[in-house]
Amino acid sequence: DTGVSQNPRHKITKRGQNVTFRCDPISEHNRLYWYRQTLGQGPEFLTYFQNEAQLEKSRLLSDRFSAERPKGSFSTLEIQRTEQGDSAMYLCASSSQGYYGYTFGSGTRLTVV
Amino acid sequence: GIQVEQSPPDLILQEGANSTLRCNFSDSVNNLQWFHQNPWGQLINLFYIPSGTKQNGRLSATTVATERYSLLYISSSQTTDSGVYFCAVLGSSNTGKLIFGQGTTLQVKP
Repeated sequence: DTGVSQNPRHKITKRGQNVTFRCDPISEHNRLYWYRQTLGQGPEFLTYFQNEAQLEKSRLLSDRFSAERPKGSFSTLEIQRTEQGDSAMYLCASSSQGYYGYTFGSGTRLTVV
Repeated sequence: GIQVEQSPPDLILQEGANSTLRCNFSDSVNNLQWFHQNPWGQLINLFYIPSGTKQNGRLSATTVATERYSLLYISSSQTTDSGVYFCAVLGSSNTGKLIFGQGTTLQVKP
């Protein structure tokens, strides 16, 4: 297992377009998280899955954002009608039961022009 | 919600120097982690340390949960230690959400 994998690494999109990011967690981790990080800030929580169930969503996750984790494996994060304020690094992390030792992916850097 | 404050915000060291980074949190926590974010953006988990002291090579961390702070020690710093150090806590509500501090940006000069 090579850790948490995120694709793509970079995405440049025009305002108003839809984008989708993928996260493949560590296979034995049943918990998966999405965070967003803007320049000079710490990561901010977006949403959390335990297996295929989405158990918590931040108020940062507006109705333009949707996340899925079908079958409790990989996860996708979709942003519809992107805005310039969506430009950020989107980080995925996974962990096993007990919230011990999160492992983060390398992130997807989104630039909305 | 829980507030996490890190100090100092920025730190410049000469290679070989030692440093201490501090993380204060506003409420009781049952999960505290230190991360290093390298210049390419990768967040690496350094320590899971809800209490007590741990050491890993030149790095060590101490958390005093009753006094709501944690310290990260870097000894004999190297240029590869440069980057941003974050502490993050999980609130007692056990939601799975990590709350990050603003980070300490460390630059180690050769």
